[in-house]
Amino acid sequence: ETGVTQTPRHLVMGMTNKKSLKCEQHLGHNAMYWYKQSAKKPLELMFVYSLEERVENNSVPSRFSPECPNSSHLFLHLHTLQPEDSALYLCASSQLDGGYTFGSGTRLTVV
Amino acid sequence: DQQVKQNSPSLSVQEGRISILNCDYTNSMFDYFLWYKKYPAEGPTFLISISSIKDKNEDGRFTVFLNKSAKHLSLHIVPSQPGDSAVYFCAASATAYGAGSYQLTFGKGTKLSVIP
Repeated sequence: ETGVTQTPRHLVMGMTNKKSLKCEQHLGHNAMYWYKQSAKKPLELMFVYSLEERVENNSVPSRFSPECPNSSHLFLHLHTLQPEDSALYLCASSQLDGGYTFGSGTRLTVV
Repeated sequence: DQQVKQNSPSLSVQEGRISILNCDYTNSMFDYFLWYKKYPAEGPTFLISISSIKDKNEDGRFTVFLNKSAKHLSLHIVPSQPGDSAVYFCAASATAYGAGSYQLTFGKGTKLSVIP
């Protein structure tokens, strides 16, 4: 356990489904992130929250909707996804004087 | 356009020898660089970092070298061990902003295989 917990570890969903990914950290970090890792591509930053305020959104499609209710929890709500959205979704948290701490990721398959 | 490039998708090294993983970047605003190690089915874990004010940082078997003029950094692992077999990601960041949040830009990763 790295201190950042992601659930579920694996998720298979149809294109018409609605699901949510959850991330939880109890490291006292101030910022949380969602990253997407597709095969043979760099890790792509999707969303950044600092003190529960969104500070970055790298032109992610609206079918991905983040929510950060408090500094320890981060959600990624998914709806009407496409097969190309199948990837590993990584949550991370950080504070100013350290590197990131990543969760183990959710392996998402859209069918 | 990829700002952080790891041009070798894979590398095989004999146990006990040196592993050298390379990374190039294009954004001159980057001033902090990190290496992450990732095993299958796990998230990346932080390995070692270097600030742009240094050209070398060492931690046990791991040393990172930074050549700012060439916009190049490398990770040296000596001696390499079978447990080092993993995917290694290079990441770069501009100066931290906000309350502890900063954006890392990652390379595609290099898969290192250490052969016993």
